[in-house]
Amino acid sequence: AQKITQTQPGMFVQEKEAVTLDCTYDTSDPSYGLFWYKQPSSGEMIFLIYQGSYDQQNATEGRYSLNFQKARKSANLVISASQLGDSAMYFCAMRDSTDKLIFGTGTRLQVFP
Amino acid sequence: EAGVTQSPTHLIKTRGQQATLRCSPISGHTSVYWYQQALGLGLQFLLWYDEGEERNRGNFPPRFSGRQFPNYSSELNVNALELEDSALYLCASSFMGQGANEQYFGPGTRLTVT
Repeated sequence: AQKITQTQPGMFVQEKEAVTLDCTYDTSDPSYGLFWYKQPSSGEMIFLIYQGSYDQQNATEGRYSLNFQKARKSANLVISASQLGDSAMYFCAMRDSTDKLIFGTGTRLQVFP
Repeated sequence: EAGVTQSPTHLIKTRGQQATLRCSPISGHTSVYWYQQALGLGLQFLLWYDEGEERNRGNFPPRFSGRQFPNYSSELNVNALELEDSALYLCASSFMGQGANEQYFGPGTRLTVT
């Protein structure tokens, strides 16, 4: 069965430091997509970054990068130079063969001054 | 460009009633997805519509249903409401083409069943 696992319920990071949010996945499909979303307290899900299973390079989007290790089935999100506005829930998701997104349980990130 | 919109923002119903939630996708997007996020939990996939047809549904009872209109907007109906249906309902849209096909989410409708 396809599954996303986020083992860190909460993380703390000091402003301007980098932080890594863990995500592992399980699928038998050779083709899949991995996503990270941010959910502030307002509730809206904000798309951050995407990695395709056949992409050779790790995805980057500004301060966000995805550390994709296919053999280990991990897709960790790295946020560099954390800002107070980064405090939110972060969800890792996988698009399965039927095109729906399967989400992990999320990691609550708190950035402190 | 306008994002995904959802209405209403909040909805309060009593057990046994019906709820109707609405979603308008981003212009040009033909796919609409519905997710349920119960308090403190991750998102659970509910339904996917594309080009007016239901393409997939998650592990939810038949009293959760919906439809997609010719303008690609969508409606989620929940019949015979139960207390555990209280949740944030998120709608997302995407364009089904090559590439990431990332889903863009609306602000959600918070449904409270009393």
